Amino acid sequence: DAGVIQSPRHEVTEMGQEVTLRCKPISGHDYLFWYRQTMMRGLELLIYFNNNVPIDDSGMPEDRFSAKMPNASFSTLKIQPSEPRDSAVYFCASSLRGAKGNQPQHFGDGTRLSIL
Amino acid sequence: AQTVTQSQPEMSVQEAETVTLSCTYDTSESDYYLFWYKQPPSRQMILVIRQEAYKQQNATENRFSVNFQKAAKSFSLKISDSQLGDAAMYFCALTGTASKLTFGTGTRLQVTL
Repeated sequence: DAGVIQSPRHEVTEMGQEVTLRCKPISGHDYLFWYRQTMMRGLELLIYFNNNVPIDDSGMPEDRFSAKMPNASFSTLKIQPSEPRDSAVYFCASSLRGAKGNQPQHFGDGTRLSIL
Repeated sequence: AQTVTQSQPEMSVQEAETVTLSCTYDTSESDYYLFWYKQPPSRQMILVIRQEAYKQQNATENRFSVNFQKAAKSFSLKISDSQLGDAAMYFCALTGTASKLTFGTGTRLQVTL
């Protein structure tokens, strides 16, 4: 089975540009998570969805960040306008809430974002 | 609020030896799950082992095992017969009924010959 698929793997763009990160979760998983990883702050949860509905976006740093999940097989994280401090690795993860509770989250390979 | 603390920024172990990585946590929930994830230089996040809080038996996965002390809120990872491929960042993580993971700051494990 395919795992969580993220694209692009690397993104380099100039400050002020719009950035769109994409994620395809594992088929059948009903939870999708977006994380950001930096040296200073470690792994931070930005937002997560359950059945395509945003449940908790308290980790989204500011209004420049937005996330959507139009269907069960696709999600985007958008930054507009981008700033150098947004440079980080962004991970998407998905999981299934089974009958016995939370199942492990499966991570994509991440997108390394560099804002110049 | 949930917190996860990993007090060892770096650890080193010789090949074939055993190493234990520490993790403590805090949560107000009675039903929660604990995980160890491995992040090699390739930056993938790989699930190593999982523990349900309601289970008293410590989880094991081949060379990886945990020492889960619920009263002390401690969840350490033991790696036996360490291999060069075990070199990575290891993250302890906690999730409760809200489904979201809270990660520790990680422990970088070096494996030497």
